[in-house]
Amino acid sequence: SQQGEEDPQALSIQEGENATMNCSYKTSINNLQWYRQNSGRGLVHLILIRSNEREKHSGRLRVTLDTSKKSSSLLITASRAADTASYFCATLPGTGRRALTFGSGTRLQVQP
Amino acid sequence: NAGVTQTPKFQVLKTGQSMTLQCAQDMNHEYMSWYRQDPGMGLRLIHYSVGAGITDQGEVPNGYNVSRSTTEDFPLRLLSAAPSQTSVYFCASSQGIMGTQYFGPGTRLLVL
Repeated sequence: SQQGEEDPQALSIQEGENATMNCSYKTSINNLQWYRQNSGRGLVHLILIRSNEREKHSGRLRVTLDTSKKSSSLLITASRAADTASYFCATLPGTGRRALTFGSGTRLQVQP
Repeated sequence: NAGVTQTPKFQVLKTGQSMTLQCAQDMNHEYMSWYRQDPGMGLRLIHYSVGAGITDQGEVPNGYNVSRSTTEDFPLRLLSAAPSQTSVYFCASSQGIMGTQYFGPGTRLLVL
């Protein structure tokens, strides 16, 4: 079963707009990571946020983590056509299997 | 560095055939893993390894075998291919489970 579930499943915006994707998970985590996948390619790591962190920035990316609600959000500001991709959250459990569990992803389409 | 490499890129098998998907990394990473990705879905963990000689099952291990005789290589063996194993297979590595996962380009497998 998927630990992380992204919302929305698909998102279409215009260039220059902000894109927000959400991720919910079920069990306690050590960290949560966001990855991007361009069509037909492998996944590329974007950002990692630890369970004791609440917010993290990397360039145009902003990630928040609310462990009380077991949720995270990824904000991409001033989106570009090149941001068109699928975005996945992945969680590393605090206990148990030492492996990432991926959600089903959000497909982002940025219209030029 | 080549990063994570996977061969072959594409493969067509008949039901019942066996094959090995190759994965290699040149970053001296301890942790390696295999995922499968079905259309419109996230990644599901098949097997993982925390170091040479150590492997463990993931979420969907049935029908697959792995071994880790060296740090660099982590082959995935399909024992008797079934149509349900039609998927895209990704290999990933990281310095440790806490770290960033680096993904290979994937192997597209079609089982007829």
